[in-house]
Amino acid sequence: GENVGLHLPTLSVQEGDNSIINCAYSNSASDYFIWYKQESGKGPQFIIDIRSNMDKRQGQRVTVLLNKTVKHLSLQIAATQPGDSAVYFCAENNSGYALNFGKGTSLLVTP
Amino acid sequence: GAGVSQSPSNKVTEKGKDVELRCDPISGHTALYWYRQSLGQGLEFLIYFQGNSAPDKSGLPSDRFSAERTGGSVSTLTIQRTQQEDSAVYLCASSLNIGLAKNIQYFGAGTRLSVL
Repeated sequence: GENVGLHLPTLSVQEGDNSIINCAYSNSASDYFIWYKQESGKGPQFIIDIRSNMDKRQGQRVTVLLNKTVKHLSLQIAATQPGDSAVYFCAENNSGYALNFGKGTSLLVTP
Repeated sequence: GAGVSQSPSNKVTEKGKDVELRCDPISGHTALYWYRQSLGQGLEFLIYFQGNSAPDKSGLPSDRFSAERTGGSVSTLTIQRTQQEDSAVYLCASSLNIGLAKNIQYFGAGTRLSVL
């Protein structure tokens, strides 16, 4: 069936470096994508979203890129900080309002 | 508070018992969602409420699971005759859905359910 998945289950980066977290989706009808950050013991926290009529969107230190041709989504975090250590989930929506989540990538920022 | 509130934060129960999990959405949010997150996994959609419309129950895994939303605000997720495989974190989210526009879902901290 349709699913959303992540290329790398874990990512380790040094403080100050840029991080890139990738996500592949298989439903070409998906028209809305969203990234969440989840710290241990907490619920997912919204980071940034993007609609299918865009290919790039920027926030504070974060950028989401959408490539509909290859059905790929990425989250770029600039100047990664220790507080960025968490599990990052991409999610997509193609109908209704429920989100379809990937399994997550664990980001570890080392000093 | 301004966020989504869930209670209890932790629940330990014995196999076969019924449990009720509560969610208070953000004030004014018309949509409410329940998801389940198993250890090390992504979130699995369970049920969705939008205003006074009939809920979308397509994600409920069995008839032991049910949910209500009273007065368009607080929601209760009930699991009857709990099984060990029900152990997970149950997350609630709400959003301000207007028309057909997609809207950000804001999550609570979840209820960690352990079935012994």
